[in-house]
Amino acid sequence: DAGVTQSPTHLIKTRGQQVTLRCSPKSGHDTVSWYQQALGQGPQFIFQYYEEEERQRGNFPDRFSGHQFPNYSSELNVNALLLGDSALYLCASNQYDQPQHFGDGTRLSIL
Amino acid sequence: QKEVEQDPGPLSVPEGAIVSLNCTYSNSAFQYFMWYRQYSRKGPELLMYTYSSGNKEDGRFTAQVDKSSKYISLFIRDSQPSDSATYLCAMRERTNAGKSTFGDGTTLTVKP
Repeated sequence: DAGVTQSPTHLIKTRGQQVTLRCSPKSGHDTVSWYQQALGQGPQFIFQYYEEEERQRGNFPDRFSGHQFPNYSSELNVNALLLGDSALYLCASNQYDQPQHFGDGTRLSIL
Repeated sequence: QKEVEQDPGPLSVPEGAIVSLNCTYSNSAFQYFMWYRQYSRKGPELLMYTYSSGNKEDGRFTAQVDKSSKYISLFIRDSQPSDSATYLCAMRERTNAGKSTFGDGTTLTVKP
């Protein structure tokens, strides 16, 4: 039973560019959430997708957007990248009231 | 002030020691409490998941929740070098399983 899978593992971009990160949820899960984890800090909630709609959003600017597909997979898009966007981006999935399970993340470096 | 505060550490203990990891929170709407373990360059791995006040035991791990004091703990008995990792407490409101609020983690090193 595959867990949450994310791609790519590592990305290097320059300021001003755009990036797309991808996530496949754990089998049986229909809710996908994205988190940003800066070095030495805990994950910060970006947004949550359920039934292909953004249901809740954390304190992140509109440069951060997402999408959920009919097969429950999801994408996170970040436009106009800033140096401060360098972080580990984590995808988590869950079903109903069950706890979230996380992927190993995409490490994004902005030069 | 952050909604969830976690003892920052780092912690270094000898193999076999009992480890105590602690978090406090300010949002009384938090009803579910989790502990995750995160190894270097990996995602958080769910260790414990609790709802009510009291203790929950799973092998060498015990999670303790005191809602009246807004305080949660994770105890690790007979600690092993393989327990060396960063431990994250997390919590969420009853109606939103898709949004968790995390502490900043405590890094634990267990020395052989």
